[in-house]
Amino acid sequence: EAGVTQFPSHSVIEKGQTVTLRCDPISGHDNLYWYRRVMGKEIKFLLHFVKESKQDESGMPNNRFLAERTGGTYSTLKVQPAELEDSGVYFCASSIPSGLTDTQYFGPGTRLTVL
Amino acid sequence: AQSVTQPDIHITVSEGASLELRCNYSYGATPYLFWYVQSPGQGLQLLLKYFSGDTLVQGIKGFEAEFKRSQSSFNLRKPSVHWSDAAEYFCAVHTGTASKLTFGTGTRLQVTL
Repeated sequence: EAGVTQFPSHSVIEKGQTVTLRCDPISGHDNLYWYRRVMGKEIKFLLHFVKESKQDESGMPNNRFLAERTGGTYSTLKVQPAELEDSGVYFCASSIPSGLTDTQYFGPGTRLTVL
Repeated sequence: AQSVTQPDIHITVSEGASLELRCNYSYGATPYLFWYVQSPGQGLQLLLKYFSGDTLVQGIKGFEAEFKRSQSSFNLRKPSVHWSDAAEYFCAVHTGTASKLTFGTGTRLQVTL
């Protein structure tokens, strides 16, 4: 069974540009999560989809970030315009909705560098 | 709000030595606890999890962790470390009512030969 995949693995852009990250969850996983790790800090939650609906977006830092999950399959996270502080590793995770015993499986991450 | 503390940023052990990575959490009710590992160039891999029941849980790669409610701890252990265990280890918690994970800052493990 294929795991969570993310594309690209690395992205280097200039401040003010737009970047779109993609996540393909494990097949059949209705839950999809985005997290971010800024260098030296902890991994922080950004948002949670259940199928195509945003269940919790309390971690999204500001309105420059837009996440979508059309059709409840893959998800994209767009940063527009990118700022220096957006640099970090963006992780995607997926899970089968299991309530209290939800177990998330992570992708390899996308390393974003904003110059 | 819940929080997770991993007091050791960096640990170095010799190959074959035992290992214990510390994790303390702050949450009033029953926590759901996880350990993940990130090897160089890899994503986060689930090592083990605790939901309920036996407080000593076994994971992959020979790791185990013990939940101690009285100490609010969920320390990760391995009796004999291998060079391939060099990685960064993350403790995480979710509360059940909200599925999002709260992570500690991670502990980077270096293994000397």
